[in-house]
Amino acid sequence: DVKVTQSSRYLVKRTGEKVFLECVQDMDHENMFWYRQDPGLGLRLIYFSYDVKMKEKGDIPEGYSVSREKKERFSLILESASTNQTSMYLCASSPLLGTGLVTQYFGPGTRLLVL
Amino acid sequence: KNEVEQSPQNLTAQEGEFITINCSYSVGISALHWLQQHPGGGIVSLFMLSSGKKKHGRLIATINIQEKHSSLHITASHPRDSAVYICAVRLLSQFYFGTGTSLTVIP
Repeated sequence: DVKVTQSSRYLVKRTGEKVFLECVQDMDHENMFWYRQDPGLGLRLIYFSYDVKMKEKGDIPEGYSVSREKKERFSLILESASTNQTSMYLCASSPLLGTGLVTQYFGPGTRLLVL
Repeated sequence: KNEVEQSPQNLTAQEGEFITINCSYSVGISALHWLQQHPGGGIVSLFMLSSGKKKHGRLIATINIQEKHSSLHITASHPRDSAVYICAVRLLSQFYFGTGTSLTVIP
């Protein structure tokens, strides 16, 4: 079974703090994604990575950065947390897209509260 | 403008009822996914389809490519089916998500 794990289920931070969210997958997937999920808005893509050290901006990259130094690990960084970044953050991974039907595998999510 | 629209947004059903959740999309797609999210946040993939119909237990997913429409059906619904069901479409490397349908099945 594919396993995608996230470093924290719940996180409380203060405005201005630097926040690291870690995601690890164990299936040697090329692609990894970071989403945030807010009520009424569904899942929105922040960043994705299709290879080590490669990254692409999603729909809402402002205020975020990412790092992928190893294939299995994809980190989301909030350089200076703000209250409007309070949200549920979901990591996902998938095999190389474009090779037919592929699906994403999601982590359990991290609920971040910024005070 | 949302590329993926789901209906209804909220649904309450009695145990045993037949349930249908609809999804319409406006982009050409490589594949359509139905996802299930239980309270607590974890998301699992139920179906991935690009044509026709798929069945898994009490769940059935259909897609009509010409009409850009998909349905998720649950037969003999059960309280453990209570969850948010999310429709997602993939176009090349990009995924587009609906806002989800919150289903509550009452015993």
